[in-house]
Amino acid sequence: QVQLVQSGAEVKKPGASVKIPCKASGYTFTSYYMHWVRQAPGQGLEWMGIINPSGGSTNYPQKFQGRVTMTRDTSTSTVYLELSGLSTEDTAVYYCARDNCDGDCFTYGFDIWGQGTMVTVSS
Amino acid sequence: QSALTQPASVSGSPGQSITISCTGTSSDVGGYNYVSWYQQHPGKAPKLMIYDVSNRPSGVSNRFSGSKSGNTASLTISGLQAEDEADYYCSSYTSISTLVVFGGGTKLTVL
Repeated sequence: QVQLVQSGAEVKKPGASVKIPCKASGYTFTSYYMHWVRQAPGQGLEWMGIINPSGGSTNYPQKFQGRVTMTRDTSTSTVYLELSGLSTEDTAVYYCARDNCDGDCFTYGFDIWGQGTMVTVSS
Repeated sequence: QSALTQPASVSGSPGQSITISCTGTSSDVGGYNYVSWYQQHPGKAPKLMIYDVSNRPSGVSNRFSGSKSGNTASLTISGLQAEDEADYYCSSYTSISTLVVFGGGTKLTVL
């Protein structure tokens, strides 16, 4: 079945970096854009950026530019989110989510989600 | 403060219909038909319920419907059921700064 599987919880010190994998299966990896969304405890959803698994191009909101890097490995159908310069405000569940559009297109609707990776930043 | 405005909470009795609003601007909700709605149960990942304003993904009940008028999108749930109790989030493409903006979320309580 179509699914996205993420890694387990992480605990990081302030200033550190975290790299979260998201492995796709059950569909053609390069046919769907992938987004990353995070959710702080008790808070709403926040979009972190998008990657084209085919060509590797990315787009990040200004808030995260300089701190976030999204990459992909087509040989393993895996996308990665790396966030550097962590602070306590980065404590959140991080989700990868597939765009609903098949091909070089967007609906900006996310039809398949990973199970989430909890990242805790604490000294 | 979220870019899209949703009511913090709504409630309804089983069998009733409720509507959740999502208000933005002409740079997001009002300007594009890329509005989506998500259902999120506690401790779970969000689930796509509506995309492109009014389209339902395969497998989503037809009790869920979406619409838009001006800068406000709406999610209507008819025939409320206990399992509909959850948080609901809207999102939209935006032409300003970030590509995607979310609403702050609405907690639906089924009385």
